Amino acid sequence: GNSVTQMEGPVTLSEEAFLTINCTYTATGYPSLFWYVQYPGEGLQLLLKATKADDKGSNKGFEATYRKETTSFHLEKGSVQVSDSAVYFCARSNTGKLIFGQGTTLQVKP
Amino acid sequence: DTGVSQNPRHKITKRGQNVTFRCDPISEHNRLYWYRQTLGQGPEFLTYFQNEAQLEKSRLLSDRFSAERPKGSFSTLEIQRTEQGDSAMYLCASNPLQGTYEQYFGPGTRLTVT
Repeated sequence: GNSVTQMEGPVTLSEEAFLTINCTYTATGYPSLFWYVQYPGEGLQLLLKATKADDKGSNKGFEATYRKETTSFHLEKGSVQVSDSAVYFCARSNTGKLIFGQGTTLQVKP
Repeated sequence: DTGVSQNPRHKITKRGQNVTFRCDPISEHNRLYWYRQTLGQGPEFLTYFQNEAQLEKSRLLSDRFSAERPKGSFSTLEIQRTEQGDSAMYLCASNPLQGTYEQYFGPGTRLTVT
């Protein structure tokens, strides 16, 4: 079926550690791919996006590359900060509506 | 551009009561979406509008749920005869007709059914 699968959390890292949050998707066609972030007590915010194969989305030091061959869109950051602690959602869209993964909680400790 | 707004932010109701939520999208955004999010899960699509037309409804949207967008601007989501399982965060999002499908979300309405 059409779905998005994320690695389970919580992910706990020390400040300045390297972050990877895995995301894979199943879909017909060539969906647009997104990472959204939800900081504590706040609404969903778009973090980055990619609309075609091999595109790299980036924002605030986060990056993700649209890998068609592995149907993946893994989120990475080279050096996390305490302020990056949040829930991260991978999502895809073919037709307008977003299909989300279950979310991955990131906790960054000083 | 004031972003997507939703009212109320919180609603506590007793089982069996009806509730209505409102969403005001970013002005001139043609598309408006409703999602439901329960604790520990990602948002699940409920329905969406393009201008006044409701173009898609999820199978999650039972007969007790109805949504409208009468003038193509704000939208309302009504839940009739609420059940405890309806307790969730209800999210609204919008985007323009042209673009890359990225959506802008409101803060949500948290519904608690007692």
